[in-house]
Amino acid sequence: DIQMTQSPSTLSASVGDRVTITCRANQSIDSWLAWYQQRPGKAPKVLIYKASSLESGVPSRFSGSGSGTEFALTISSLQPDDFATYYCQQYSRWWTFGQGTKVEIK
Amino acid sequence: EVQVVESGGDLVQSGGSLRLSCAVSGFIFRNYAMSWVRQAPGEGLECVSSITNDGGSTYYVDSVKGRFTISRDNSKSTLYLQMTSLRVDDTAIYYCARRTLDDHLEFWGRGTLVTVSS
Repeated sequence: DIQMTQSPSTLSASVGDRVTITCRANQSIDSWLAWYQQRPGKAPKVLIYKASSLESGVPSRFSGSGSGTEFALTISSLQPDDFATYYCQQYSRWWTFGQGTKVEIK
Repeated sequence: EVQVVESGGDLVQSGGSLRLSCAVSGFIFRNYAMSWVRQAPGEGLECVSSITNDGGSTYYVDSVKGRFTISRDNSKSTLYLQMTSLRVDDTAIYYCARRTLDDHLEFWGRGTLVTVSS
């Protein structure tokens, strides 16, 4: 099974901060990685797919990088709407998610 | 506009059964594979089951194999999840989502809550 590990679990930041969340796979998944945002009480929403491709309609302050086993999601300037939980997901074999990173207001 | 609406969640006793439905509109349902993803209270996301666009291939996470059955009716643009022998640890919000051509998940519904009591 492919396991995904995110860090940190919680991140405290302020509006305007640059934040980075990392995700590691326990074996190579090439670039078959997506990032999702989930606000409280809402369904997840895809932000990034194929490690670095921005989903249509997603603000350009979101970006993804990495390949193989190491990946990152960066928000260049945190906005009030961005306080949420973020999940990485591999879709190389089956679909497994990281445990989530909660971005909270500092 | 794409719409994905899950229904069928309920409170059920351990060992019971339930059928979830997911009605979609705004896209050609028969062209897309679909998945069910669940989220236990306060927990992360877990893909439970998936099905190809024609229903010819189905996939299950190990913990539900033999208990859950995914199916679809392309004439009704509806996805189903038949759940039997339900356990307390099946308690979760169940989301339906469309698989893209490159296999990530887009267009999620708002979910339906399944609660299994002991």
